[in-house]
Amino acid sequence: SAVISQKPSRDICQRGTSLTIQCQVDSQVTMMFWYRQQPGQSLTLIATANQGSEATYESGFVIDKFPISRPNLTFSTLTVSNMSPEDSSIYLCSAQSHLGGGTDTQYFGPGTRLTVL
Amino acid sequence: ILNVEQSPQSLHVQEGDSTNFTCSFPSSNFYALHWYRWETAKSPEALFVMTLNGDEKKKGRISATLNTKEGYSYLYIKGSQPEDSATYLCAPLDDYKLSFGAGTTVTVRA
Repeated sequence: SAVISQKPSRDICQRGTSLTIQCQVDSQVTMMFWYRQQPGQSLTLIATANQGSEATYESGFVIDKFPISRPNLTFSTLTVSNMSPEDSSIYLCSAQSHLGGGTDTQYFGPGTRLTVL
Repeated sequence: ILNVEQSPQSLHVQEGDSTNFTCSFPSSNFYALHWYRWETAKSPEALFVMTLNGDEKKKGRISATLNTKEGYSYLYIKGSQPEDSATYLCAPLDDYKLSFGAGTTVTVRA
């Protein structure tokens, strides 16, 4: 199993500013992901964070808005740039030990609750 | 992204009662289905990973069944307790990624 921590746990930000969320895993993992849950919606995958290379973004998400770093096998950051009230969501980091392992458990952090005014 | 439906959206259960709810997903190209329990302000907790048609998994008072041919899974809670109050999410595997349903929020009344 993997234990994942996120910082900050919550924040209230002004529109037009940026926030960087940190994700730390207690062991080395192959795959790391970033999700968003907007109010009343399901968990939506933003991107797969690739170690040592650019993240892979899902349709509707772009690097300029959600730059992601993954400098090593235990740490990743997600930045929400030029924020607007529509970015108010819970942002979650997750990790999985093996590449493409459908039967492998994906572990989640506790989330960062972001409110944009 | 797969179309995943969970019903009902929410339900209220009396302590001690049993309940169940549904996850529907595309039956074509099925590989695996994950179930999670998500309590407020906590990390989503993995419950089951299901892969085989007819599979049944159990964890304490919670169990799940899988029908890959018709594209649905049931999750059962037997003898509900207040600590079972949470949102239950299902997520079929799409390539190497999970596609989540909106969840069923269970509230257990003492």
